[in-house]
Amino acid sequence: QKEVEQDPGPLSVPEGAIVSLNCTYSNSAFQYFMWYRQYSRKGPELLMYTYSSGNKEDGRFTAQVDKSSKYISLFIRDSQPSDSATYLCAMSVGGATNKLIFGTGTLLAVQP
Amino acid sequence: KAGVTQTPRYLIKTRGQQVTLSCSPISGHRSVSWYQQTPGQGLQFLFEYFSETQRNKGNFPGRFSGRQFSNSRSEMNVSTLELGDSALYLCASRVGPPNTGELFFGEGSRLTVL
Repeated sequence: QKEVEQDPGPLSVPEGAIVSLNCTYSNSAFQYFMWYRQYSRKGPELLMYTYSSGNKEDGRFTAQVDKSSKYISLFIRDSQPSDSATYLCAMSVGGATNKLIFGTGTLLAVQP
Repeated sequence: KAGVTQTPRYLIKTRGQQVTLSCSPISGHRSVSWYQQTPGQGLQFLFEYFSETQRNKGNFPGRFSGRQFSNSRSEMNVSTLELGDSALYLCASRVGPPNTGELFFGEGSRLTVL
């Protein structure tokens, strides 16, 4: 079993829809939770960064972390065709390491 | 400000050969990490360097190695290539020591092993 599980999709939604992307994890030592967006033929770029549990909002994006359930979510409101990309969750224990454990990514397509 | 630069962007090798990939971090960034991305496994951590020292290593065989130079540029090497090494190899840099600040990724080097 992988440390981080993510539904690969693909997920297709109409423009303007609310998108929910999720990851589950097994390592209770994870403290840092991130969402990356990766466009085709590009490297991942950081969207959201959360430490420990709670919610964080940035524009149309909201990240939620529920450490008791070992479950994290990314919500995208008013989705746009430009949001079409692969979304990767990533986590780390923290401390003196850059090592991130990634989910396999969810491919999202927002249809105009 | 230039981003993380990786060269070459694409390359094709045959089994048994070796390959060296290069990464130039963002100017001023001293920490470099390498990841392998495949459709089945996603992104997997290879190793990280800070101040020319390897700080952490992932679960890859010894055929995978890396180094960092005094100007923070980094290289990774894969010897005795196998078909399963075909992947996108991503380099990421950060300003300071491990786990401080945002990790910026390059566009990757896509390796195909025939």
